[in-house]
Amino acid sequence: RKEVEQDPGPFNVPEGATVAFNCTYSNSASQSFFWYRQDCRKEPKLLMSVYSSGNEDGRFTAQLNRASQYISLLIRDSKLSDSATYLCVGSGGSYIPTFGRGTSLIVHP
Amino acid sequence: GAVVSQHPSWVICKSGTSVKIECRSLDFQATTMFWYRQFPKQSLMLMATSNEGSKATYEQGVEKDKFLINHASLTLSTLTVTSAHPEDSSFYICSARIGQGAAEAFFGQGTRLTVV
Repeated sequence: RKEVEQDPGPFNVPEGATVAFNCTYSNSASQSFFWYRQDCRKEPKLLMSVYSSGNEDGRFTAQLNRASQYISLLIRDSKLSDSATYLCVGSGGSYIPTFGRGTSLIVHP
Repeated sequence: GAVVSQHPSWVICKSGTSVKIECRSLDFQATTMFWYRQFPKQSLMLMATSNEGSKATYEQGVEKDKFLINHASLTLSTLTVTSAHPEDSSFYICSARIGQGAAEAFFGQGTRLTVV
């Protein structure tokens, strides 16, 4: 079983929609979690950290559920520019970033 | 955020040749850098953890004699793909973390390697 698992999608939503992604992790010792955004043929860019208390940044909200070992990302009022692949990252063992496969989001007019 | 510079951004080479990719942390010191490989529509797969001044730690299935990693200073790690084959064609990305422990990683721009 992979350490970090995500539904690859694609999630195809209209502009203005609210969309949520979940990501499960298997290593209960994982300490830190992040969401990255990756555009086609580009490097991943940090979107936001995920704190136990939840984290909100504008239209984006990240949550961590340690009991069920998953993290989530909620995007409100989707924009065309939100189209990308969203990567879930757990710290893994020895704080080595371990990536999920990524969830593809397509926002259409 | 911190800046990690990776060079070259793309390279085409012939089978059997070697290619060196550089990863530099521009505004911070990185005792640890990570090298990933990403095939189309796949996740980033960790190849190795590069530690300054010591040997890299390779993930299972990654040939250390084929993918040579050198981390000679706190701001530079290099990955050399030796005797490249077409199946080595991929997107190689380095990342660095500020300090130790739980912290976000910052990525280089990636290198798209095509072996013909």
